[in-house]
Amino acid sequence: DAKTTQPPSMDCAEGRAANLPCNHSTISGNEYVYWYRQIHSQGPQYIIHGLKNNETNEMASLIITEDRKSSTLILPHATLRDTAVYYCIVTVRNNDMRFGAGTRLTVKP
Amino acid sequence: EPEVTQTPSHQVTQMGQEVILRCVPISNHLYFYWYRQILGQKVEFLVSFYNNEISEKSEIFDDQFSVERPDGSNFTLKIRSTKLEDSAMYFCASSEEITDTQYFGPGTRLTVL
Repeated sequence: DAKTTQPPSMDCAEGRAANLPCNHSTISGNEYVYWYRQIHSQGPQYIIHGLKNNETNEMASLIITEDRKSSTLILPHATLRDTAVYYCIVTVRNNDMRFGAGTRLTVKP
Repeated sequence: EPEVTQTPSHQVTQMGQEVILRCVPISNHLYFYWYRQILGQKVEFLVSFYNNEISEKSEIFDDQFSVERPDGSNFTLKIRSTKLEDSAMYFCASSEEITDTQYFGPGTRLTVL
């Protein structure tokens, strides 16, 4: 089973930052934190990943706590198109991504 | 931007029939994967494939499933004798290296009647 814990659902107002938490208290030193999202029944879409340091790309920012036991995905200015299920996955080899139930983010106008 | 493609988008078949789902991974990628998602459930890993061999498979990937890279571009998943419970979305993914990000295709919806 997935080694992460995420809230089942969250709401966010359009234009505001969406902060999606993930707990991964049993993460080991060589495991990465990956975030994907799935819009409706489309294929999962890669968002961002990190090991220890905070990361930022054109889609989002990833904040990983110093003890690496939790992380937060930040969508800085959420739009209606960001409504999706967001998955936090920890993996060492990226060979078999184990998806959990994720967080269903609803962006509201 | 290169992307993973899958055909068909929707496949309907009768129970007991064989189906082949096709995927074209991103051209310079060397690692290929299949996942499935039963309606309303989690995305589940099925199998990973590298250098013409299965590198890892889940308990779901039993003898009725097989994968193949028949040519330089396609990657296929065959289900030999479909069951009702095989109805699901099947996603193909690929990555450049084993440690690299996996990129997913749009999926094939398989309906077994």
